[in-house]
Amino acid sequence: DAMVIQNPRYQVTQFGKPVTLSCSQTLNHNVMYWYQQKSSQAPKLLFHYYDKDFNNEADTPDNFQSRRPNTSFCFLDIRSPGLGDAAMYLCATSRDGVAGTDTQYFGPGTRLTVL
Amino acid sequence: KQEVTQIPAALSVPEGENLVLNCSFTDSAIYNLQWFRQDPGKGLTSLLLIQSSQREQTSGRLNASLDKSSGRSTLYIAASQPGDSATYLCAVRRNYGQNFVFGPGTRLSVLP
Repeated sequence: DAMVIQNPRYQVTQFGKPVTLSCSQTLNHNVMYWYQQKSSQAPKLLFHYYDKDFNNEADTPDNFQSRRPNTSFCFLDIRSPGLGDAAMYLCATSRDGVAGTDTQYFGPGTRLTVL
Repeated sequence: KQEVTQIPAALSVPEGENLVLNCSFTDSAIYNLQWFRQDPGKGLTSLLLIQSSQREQTSGRLNASLDKSSGRSTLYIAASQPGDSATYLCAVRRNYGQNFVFGPGTRLSVLP
C-alpha cells in the first residue's frame, strides 16, 4: 500500500514554464518535506512543513515555492524552471518532527526534465 | 554547518561477502542518524534509525553502529546478496531542529 505518493513520476517542462509537483500521504504525518536530488548527489532539503508552519531552507531559491492545503497534500511549485532545476524531487513525511524519533518515509520521486 | 561524507563512493563485492559502509559527520551534536537505501531512479527506503543515545541497531542482516563522539557511523551488511545492490545513504538530524543532512551515498554492487 502506497504511503507517500508523488505525481507525476516523470515531468517534462520547458525553460521558464511554471510547473507543479504533487505529493500526498496516507500516514497522517504532521511533517512533510521536499528534497531536490541531482544525479549522484545527496538529497538537498528545500523546505518542510510542520503542520501548517512553513520552514524554508536559507539557500532555497525564491523560484521554489510550496503549498500545503491540508495534512495529506503538499505541492512544490517551480515558477520559472531553469536547466539547472532538472533533478529528482523527493517528498518525505515524518510524525512529530519535534520528537525527532521517527523515521522519514519517502515517496518514489518525480524526475523533472527541463527542455 | 553539518557536513556528511561517505566512504567509499562505490563498492563492488562478490555475493556472500560481509561488508562495511562508512558515514562521517562533522558536528557530533546530532539527534539521530538514519541509513537509507535508494534503488536507481527511485525514492529512499529507511533501513535503520539510531538515536543519539544508542550505540547500534540491527535489522536482519544489517547492523548499524554509531560513535557520536568521533562523528562516525557504520553500516554492516552480512552475507551480501545481488538484491542488496543499491545506493546507501546516511543522514543525520540536527539537535533542536527537524532537518536531515544527507551524505552523498555509497553505490554498492553485489556480483552473483
